[in-house]
Amino acid sequence: EAQVTQNPRYLITVTGKKLTVTCSQNMNHEYMSWYRQDPGLGLRQIYYSMNVEVTDKGDVPEGYKVSRKEKRNFPLILESPSPNQTSLYFCASSFWKGGTPHEQYFGPGTRLTVT
Amino acid sequence: AQSVAQPEDQVNVAEGNPLTVKCTYSVSGNPYLFWYVQYPNRGLQFLLKYITGDNLVKGSYGFEAEFNKSQTSFHLKKPSALVSDSALYFCAVRDPHNFNKFYFGSGTKLNVKP
Repeated sequence: EAQVTQNPRYLITVTGKKLTVTCSQNMNHEYMSWYRQDPGLGLRQIYYSMNVEVTDKGDVPEGYKVSRKEKRNFPLILESPSPNQTSLYFCASSFWKGGTPHEQYFGPGTRLTVT
Repeated sequence: AQSVAQPEDQVNVAEGNPLTVKCTYSVSGNPYLFWYVQYPNRGLQFLLKYITGDNLVKGSYGFEAEFNKSQTSFHLKKPSALVSDSALYFCAVRDPHNFNKFYFGSGTKLNVKP
């Protein structure tokens, strides 16, 4: 089954404790992206990756890091989480055609709470 | 800056009635627009997209959207709503100057009552 998986699905942590949210896709997609969803704000793009070893900032990259060492994986790293990073996080992937990503396939989400 | 607005936080319709979920966009260039749906505790699912061409775009589950360049709108429509259409709907636009960046609206909760 074609899918994007994220782990963990739920995470409660404390301020300053480094964490990683994993994302993996089995569709051989070139493009991957991370979003956070907050009430009233919709989804905001954190980082994206056009292919292995190629990443760039989205609209809200502060406090986050990413890496793309393999095509299927795109982990999101919070080196020193703070309460304002409490949110619902989504990973997404897309095929590349004509020099652009197209419709995105989303993972099930990771609900992060930072106390 | 590119942006998308969904002016209604919530839309209520009766089952069997037509539904419209509104979206307006602001981009400096040709828009490339999407609609996604989110069911509770799930990720977003793609419904349809407008790239170019016919202003009426048909998508999944009987949904369609009308692109209106003069009104900078891309409203989602369905002729006859189902209770199972109740969900959160997001409009999104691709940045015409950086194809890797996407901007989403704040979402509209659709309630379809029996």
